[in-house]
Amino acid sequence: EAGVAQSPRYKIIEKRQSVAFWCNPISGHATLYWYQQILGQGPKLLIQFQNNGVVDDSQLPKDRFSAERLKGVDSTLKIQPAKLEDSAVYLCASSKEASTTQYFGPGTRLLVL
Amino acid sequence: AQSVSQHNHHVILSEAASLELGCNYSYGGTVNLFWYVQYPGQHLQLLLKYFSGDPLVKGIKGFEAEFIKSKFSFNLRKPSVQWSDTAEYFCAVTPSGAGSYQLTFGKGTKLSVIP
Repeated sequence: EAGVAQSPRYKIIEKRQSVAFWCNPISGHATLYWYQQILGQGPKLLIQFQNNGVVDDSQLPKDRFSAERLKGVDSTLKIQPAKLEDSAVYLCASSKEASTTQYFGPGTRLLVL
Repeated sequence: AQSVSQHNHHVILSEAASLELGCNYSYGGTVNLFWYVQYPGQHLQLLLKYFSGDPLVKGIKGFEAEFIKSKFSFNLRKPSVQWSDTAEYFCAVTPSGAGSYQLTFGKGTKLSVIP
């Protein structure tokens, strides 16, 4: 089966610009996660969706980050405006409902200059 | 909230050496535990997981991990490493039975295997 797809793979922007990342989960997976992985650290959960509803966004910096999953399939994560400290890899993962095995996409590497 | 500590930042081994990577977690209740691996240029992949039952868990590629509840540990082991095991290894935890599958990861251990 196809894995989790993410685009773009790389993005370079200047601070205060906006950027958006896209994720397409594995077909049939109801739960979708966005993680931020800063260099030298493990992934940190930003937001979790169950179908098109938000389960947990407690670690999402809501003043600049937003995410949506309107039809319960694809998801977008947006940063506006970006800061230098947002430079990281943004990972999308998905899992079947009621399953704890998460499957990760290749990530989008963001560099903010 | 839960947390995960991985003791080694970078481990360098020769082929055929034995491997043990340490992982300790902090959480007041029951947990599910995971080891993920990221090979160079590839996605994070699940190596093995522990939910309940036998505390010795076997995963892919000859890896195993032992859950020691009294020590809050879930160390990863492999008796004989290969060059292809060069990767970064992440330990992760999620509270069990809470209906929430949010993984909390450690900082990772980079393993370099020298041929």
